Amino acid sequence: DAKTTQPPSMDCAEGRAANLPCNHSTISGNEYVYWYRQIHSQGPQYIIHGLKNNETNEMASLIITEDRKSSTLILPHATLRDTAVYYCIVKRSGGFKTIFGAGTRLFVKA
Amino acid sequence: NAGVMQNPRHLVRRRGQEARLRCSPMKGHSHVYWYRQLPEEGLKFMVYLQKENIIDESGMPKERFSAEFPKEGPSILRIQQVVRGDSAAYFCASSPLATEANYGYTFGSGTRLTVV
Repeated sequence: DAKTTQPPSMDCAEGRAANLPCNHSTISGNEYVYWYRQIHSQGPQYIIHGLKNNETNEMASLIITEDRKSSTLILPHATLRDTAVYYCIVKRSGGFKTIFGAGTRLFVKA
Repeated sequence: NAGVMQNPRHLVRRRGQEARLRCSPMKGHSHVYWYRQLPEEGLKFMVYLQKENIIDESGMPKERFSAEFPKEGPSILRIQQVVRGDSAAYFCASSPLATEANYGYTFGSGTRLTVV
């Protein structure tokens, strides 16, 4: 599975959009981009995933560049409860293990 | 519709004892994954199981650790002769059939193991 690169930490003001970048320049055609987050001491939480097209759900939007070498997770109106570590993962389809990197620690400030 | 259930939530064991961690996947999920998270560290993959089969155990320590997912009942992660370094949060995740369209994992709340 392709590796990803994320900034170690980011700040965001409450109520503003949080844009979390991820680079995955070695992604291959059958690999999806997944995003999870882990709020302190809780189990990780799946957020969203995509292959080529941009995706949106009730939690977030995922923007994938046309060449698929990078993506951005957007939390449109960040709240204090969105403070967490966010993981960007690239994984092939099917039953393969998911490998978590270091992620981005997002601090949402009042 | 219960999520992934892990028990116990907290487990204290003395050095040398055995620890058994249980994980019941979501209804309809046939794949189980175990992860370990040491204090202030990231999630480390341990093992991937389907019913009665170990698919990938590349992250399991070679000694003292074992996992199973029997035909009936929860998945069990077993740690024999625990040592202080085994103190960590152990998370279980489940997903539907691998051949279906991609799904994210659903994680449980974890078991916090403390070895004293």
